[in-house]
Amino acid sequence: NAGVTQTPKFRILKIGQSMTLQCTQDMNHNYMYWYRQDPGMGLKLIYYSVGAGITDKGEVPNGYNVSRSTTEDFPLRLELAAPSQTSVYFCATRTSGLSDTQYFGPGTRLTVL
Amino acid sequence: DQQVKQNSPSLSVQEGRISILNCDYTNSMFDYFLWYKKYPAEGPTFLISISSIKDKNEDGRFTVFLNKSAKHLSLHIVPSQPGDSAVYFCAASLAYSGAGSYQLTFGKGTKLSVIP
Repeated sequence: NAGVTQTPKFRILKIGQSMTLQCTQDMNHNYMYWYRQDPGMGLKLIYYSVGAGITDKGEVPNGYNVSRSTTEDFPLRLELAAPSQTSVYFCATRTSGLSDTQYFGPGTRLTVL
Repeated sequence: DQQVKQNSPSLSVQEGRISILNCDYTNSMFDYFLWYKKYPAEGPTFLISISSIKDKNEDGRFTVFLNKSAKHLSLHIVPSQPGDSAVYFCAASLAYSGAGSYQLTFGKGTKLSVIP
């Protein structure tokens, strides 16, 4: 039972390049989230999904896209990387219960030069 | 506009003493509060939570207190241990609002250092 896995762990991109951050969970949780954490800041929600086929924007969605074709996978796409997207990205999941917490993956550290 | 505030970026405590981490919020609609602990190069891990119908929740060495009228919560760690050294994030949600997304709003975190 791996929980929430994220790949890659680290990545350096050039301005204008594209990439997909992968997130996979084996907990059969309906809800999945993408956050970014900038240095000295809290986590900010980028996108979330309440189930396969359903996604919605969070607080900072600009420059990102997501899809949710299966319960297990929730990839985050950066189409035209910008230095402002340098950050650590965390994927999280939770069940549908009212008081359940969110479980986080180990993160992907992305640098855009 | 920061809805969840942790005004102390860092805190140092001697091993065995009490650590008190504070968190303030501005949105009176928040009804569920959580504390997460984060080690370097790892994702946040859930520590303890409290719903707005309670004013205290305890789990071993960790206790969270909620003062709704002051929109303030605190995390007490007693006794503090060197392994508790980490960044602690306060988070809040509208868990019972029926919004459906259970989004968490995070504070900026407090770095706790427990000195042996």
